[in-house]
Amino acid sequence: QKEVEQNSGPLSVPEGAIASLNCTYSDRGSQSFFWYRQYSGKSPELIMSIYSNGDKEDGRFTAQLNKASQYVSLLIRDSQPSDSATYLCAPDSNYQLIWGAGTKLIIKP
Amino acid sequence: NAGVTQTPKFRILKIGQSMTLQCAQDMNHNYMYWYRQDPGMGLKLIYYSVGAGITDKGEVPNGYNVSRSTTEDFPLRLELAAPSQTSVYFCASSWRGGGQETQYFGPGTRLLVL
Repeated sequence: QKEVEQNSGPLSVPEGAIASLNCTYSDRGSQSFFWYRQYSGKSPELIMSIYSNGDKEDGRFTAQLNKASQYVSLLIRDSQPSDSATYLCAPDSNYQLIWGAGTKLIIKP
Repeated sequence: NAGVTQTPKFRILKIGQSMTLQCAQDMNHNYMYWYRQDPGMGLKLIYYSVGAGITDKGEVPNGYNVSRSTTEDFPLRLELAAPSQTSVYFCASSWRGGGQETQYFGPGTRLLVL
């Protein structure tokens, strides 16, 4: 059974601080990794994808991947109240995405 | 482009009734997916399709059926609805080719079985 583990939270972060979201996965064959954001009552939307070990930056978001440790993370700099949502980690495995249960992030003004 | 559309948005079913959840995409994507999401949980794959005429089971296919006669449409059929099928259902699509892809989601259908 392929698994994805995320801390369910909620993770509470002050506005303007860095939010750090973590994810571990079990399938060593996964090559592509995705972070989706899901607002309450809405559908998931892609915010970051990463395919190689190391860091990938896109605006206030940085994804970090370590395939040897089977670990992927998402950093959100200068956190805003609009970043409050559930963040889903999804490694690609055999042409499917395996979804974590998500981490609920709360940004406190 | 409308992206991925789903109908209906909300539905109440009685136990034993049947219904079809509609999904359509206008992005010419080859892959389409049906997920369910229970409260506080991640997405569970029900069925997926790699192209017109080709479908396969996901993690939780029991109680559901799909068909894909065109690239655009991927309906999900619930037969003999049960309370355990109360959930939010998301349809998604993606273009797979070149090793990298993004799944785009519809707005979801909220289903309540009583």
